[in-house]
Amino acid sequence: DTGVSQDPRHKITKRGQNVTFRCDPISEHNRLYWYRQTLGQGPEFLTYFQNEAQLEKSRLLSNRFSAERPKGSFSTLEIQRTEQGDSAMYLCAIAAGTQPQHFGDGTRLSIL
Amino acid sequence: QKEVEQNSGPLSVPEGAIASLNCTYSDRVSQSFFWYRQYSGKSPELIMSIYSNGDKEDGRFTAQLNKASQYVSLLIRDSQPSDSATYLCAVGAGGGADGLTFGKGTHLIIQP
Repeated sequence: DTGVSQDPRHKITKRGQNVTFRCDPISEHNRLYWYRQTLGQGPEFLTYFQNEAQLEKSRLLSNRFSAERPKGSFSTLEIQRTEQGDSAMYLCAIAAGTQPQHFGDGTRLSIL
Repeated sequence: QKEVEQNSGPLSVPEGAIASLNCTYSDRVSQSFFWYRQYSGKSPELIMSIYSNGDKEDGRFTAQLNKASQYVSLLIRDSQPSDSATYLCAVGAGGGADGLTFGKGTHLIIQP
């Protein structure tokens, strides 16, 4: 048990559609991260929340991507007008205090 | 541009031998270093963290850090077939609260 649940596990959508993923820490963790991983690559940092504040956002994150953590608990990641290049595994990681990050099972996005 | 370099492998090691995995990083101000294990189709799982120069041992795993050489390594003693996976090196600039930069991973194969 990684302490974080991601939903859905797999999303298939047509190019141009909007998609939203959800990350639910099972217990209280003040830090929450989103990463993207494509085949043969390591995870790539997208954005970071401390409680409800979005403190860091990668320059790689285009304006089609937006993330929220409204009450400092669960978080959502939305991709608007999806493109073929958005196909990847989207990983949520959580951490408490200064502890290392632990990943959820991820959401695999496939763009048709 | 922060970079983390790993030999992609595959690295093939006989069962019972020591597997040695290496990683170099470019950002001199990096302060936190992690090794994650990732099985095919699964999310990364934290196996070691290290923050100061020297060795850190946890069971069959030993992480080694040399900040002057910007080098991190992971040793796996008494390798088992279940250790076959991709090992990801991750580096953080701060005390672990920021987004991590990952290498592409080393594919390790333990031969029975």
